[in-house]
Amino acid sequence: GAVVSQHPSWVICKSGTSVKIECRSLDFQATTMFWYRQFPKQSLMLMATSNEGSKATYEQGVEKDKFLINHASLTLSTLTVTSAHPEDSSFYICSAGGAGIVDSGANVLTFGAGSRLTVL
Amino acid sequence: SQKIEQNSEALNIQEGKTATLTCNYTNYSPAYLQWYRQDPGRGPVFLLLIRENEKEKRKERLKVTFDTTLKQSLFHITASQPADSATYLCAPPTGGYNKLIFGAGTRLAVHP
Repeated sequence: GAVVSQHPSWVICKSGTSVKIECRSLDFQATTMFWYRQFPKQSLMLMATSNEGSKATYEQGVEKDKFLINHASLTLSTLTVTSAHPEDSSFYICSAGGAGIVDSGANVLTFGAGSRLTVL
Repeated sequence: SQKIEQNSEALNIQEGKTATLTCNYTNYSPAYLQWYRQDPGRGPVFLLLIRENEKEKRKERLKVTFDTTLKQSLFHITASQPADSATYLCAPPTGGYNKLIFGAGTRLAVHP
């Protein structure tokens, strides 16, 4: 079945450093990927829509200069948290649509396992 | 603004019983609605999709209903098992690219 691989699964960094998270679709091509963040016991909040070959579309309130998204190929999207601070500590999850789950016209998503970021 | 509401309190049921989870939405009319399962520390996993012209959809022990008049979807797990314990999220699409927005989720705990 469709698999989205996310790496790293967890990362601890010092305040002020940048962290890159990778999201790969392993057996399908994803022209669009979605990045979510999730705080403990809260729902997934959509951060941005990553489009292959073009600029990402950010949700209201998400700083595009802080959360850099690059979707350079049909199988890879990256999220870079720049100058990370403790308040950026969260669970970041990527997802891709149009994979092996067939439901024409509907955007059924395959999610990665998530990346837990802890900023000290 | 578009809003999705799920019962934020945990649902505790006995093994073998039917679990029923509720998802209410306001201020829009999605063409379809999806349900996902999320285990702690993991990404969500797709379970079922139901369209606005479908009253009910089934998959093994799972059943989803979609009432566009009440603006509500119900998610049922029959003959529940401890392995069904997880958080269940409803997700209708919104905006461009059929972006999915998620409800807060309902945590289900099935006790032996």
